[in-house]
Amino acid sequence: QKEVEQNSGPLSVPEGAIASLNCTYSDRVSQSFFWYRQYSGKSPELIMSIYSNGDKEDGRFTAQLNKASQYVSLLIRDSQPSDSATYLCAGLFSGGYNKLIFGAGTRLAVHP
Amino acid sequence: GAVVSQHPSWVICKSGTSVKIECRSLDFQATTMFWYRQFPKQSLMLMATSNEGSKATYEQGVEKDKFLINHASLTLSTLTVTSAHPEDSSFYICSSPDRADSPLHFGNGTRLTVT
Repeated sequence: QKEVEQNSGPLSVPEGAIASLNCTYSDRVSQSFFWYRQYSGKSPELIMSIYSNGDKEDGRFTAQLNKASQYVSLLIRDSQPSDSATYLCAGLFSGGYNKLIFGAGTRLAVHP
Repeated sequence: GAVVSQHPSWVICKSGTSVKIECRSLDFQATTMFWYRQFPKQSLMLMATSNEGSKATYEQGVEKDKFLINHASLTLSTLTVTSAHPEDSSFYICSSPDRADSPLHFGNGTRLTVT
């Protein structure tokens, strides 16, 4: 099993809909997770971080962490065409060193 | 917020030459700097971890003699791609946490093209 797994997509949703992005992780990844957004040719930018079980909301974004299922997700409400990007799920390596392990990323396309 | 400044943003070089990429933390002390590489349509792959004042730790499969990392101060880390070849063409990104267990702050990346 890969340490952090994501469906590569593309995930296509209409404007205004909810986009749901999912990620699973292995035991080699600790309980700190981050969602990054990356536009083509650009560096990743942090959207959300989540450290404890449950939901965390920030504007149109909600991150969910389920430790028992080793599952983390990102919901984007009222999706906009500007949300079209690749979303990277990342978790901290359990062995320390602050090392982030990234999933392959899910490409999201929001169409008008 | 914490800012990592990365230069150059793009570089084109001839095969066999060396290229240096610099990353500076502007408003925090970057004790650790992570260097990633990203090929088109692929995810970020960690190449190496550098800690100020000590030798870098390279991930499996990354040639330490080809990718020289220097982290001589708390605000500057450099990656030198030596004897570059076309297969080294990629997007190189540095990143650093501003404190333990914090999210990574990324530089803007360097697009390297080796002709």
